[in-house]
Amino acid sequence: GQNIDQPTEMTATEGAIVQINCTYQTSGFNGLFWYQQHAGEAPTFLSYNVLDGLEEKGRFSSFLSRSKGYSYLLLKELQMKDSASYLCAVRDLNDYKLSFGAGTTVTVRA
Amino acid sequence: DVKVTQSSRYLVKRTGEKVFLECVQDMDHENMFWYRQDPGLGLRLIYFSYDVKMKEKGDIPEGYSVSREKKERFSLILESASTNQTSMYLCASKTGGPYEQYFGPGTRLTVT
Repeated sequence: GQNIDQPTEMTATEGAIVQINCTYQTSGFNGLFWYQQHAGEAPTFLSYNVLDGLEEKGRFSSFLSRSKGYSYLLLKELQMKDSASYLCAVRDLNDYKLSFGAGTTVTVRA
Repeated sequence: DVKVTQSSRYLVKRTGEKVFLECVQDMDHENMFWYRQDPGLGLRLIYFSYDVKMKEKGDIPEGYSVSREKKERFSLILESASTNQTSMYLCASKTGGPYEQYFGPGTRLTVT
């Protein structure tokens, strides 16, 4: 099975940086996804890591350490529109299954 | 743009009713999924399908069944709705390989 932990809530100021951590203990690992979900909307894909290291996409970066069972999502130059829930999801050894953490709600304040 | 649509955004049903939730995707994806999302629990996989007429149980299949007669359409069936099935239901699809899942807008089901 999968056990995926991430903080429940985080608050930050507009223009600041926030780091959302995700730790996982899994029976199989084949990559890690980050999704963004605004209230009342569908989750949308942000990033995918399968090898150790940092992947950068504009203001968002995601890091993975497979040996530590650890990932983080870094949001830079925060904007009000970044207020959302951020979901960490681990891909199983089979191609199909994703196991999701409970999500981290980020609130950006002016 | 990939589009995943769900038949209803909001649905209210009575205990014991049979409920059908439909999902349609327009990108010829092989894989389709049904999740429920509850506060504090995240998304939990109910069933998935990797091909027409093929289905596999996810983590919480009890009380649910699915149907996939056409590649673009994946239905979730609650045979006899119960109040503990009140939830947000999300459908998703993906192509084969290490690619992201695309989600529909969700159906908020209330069972009274």
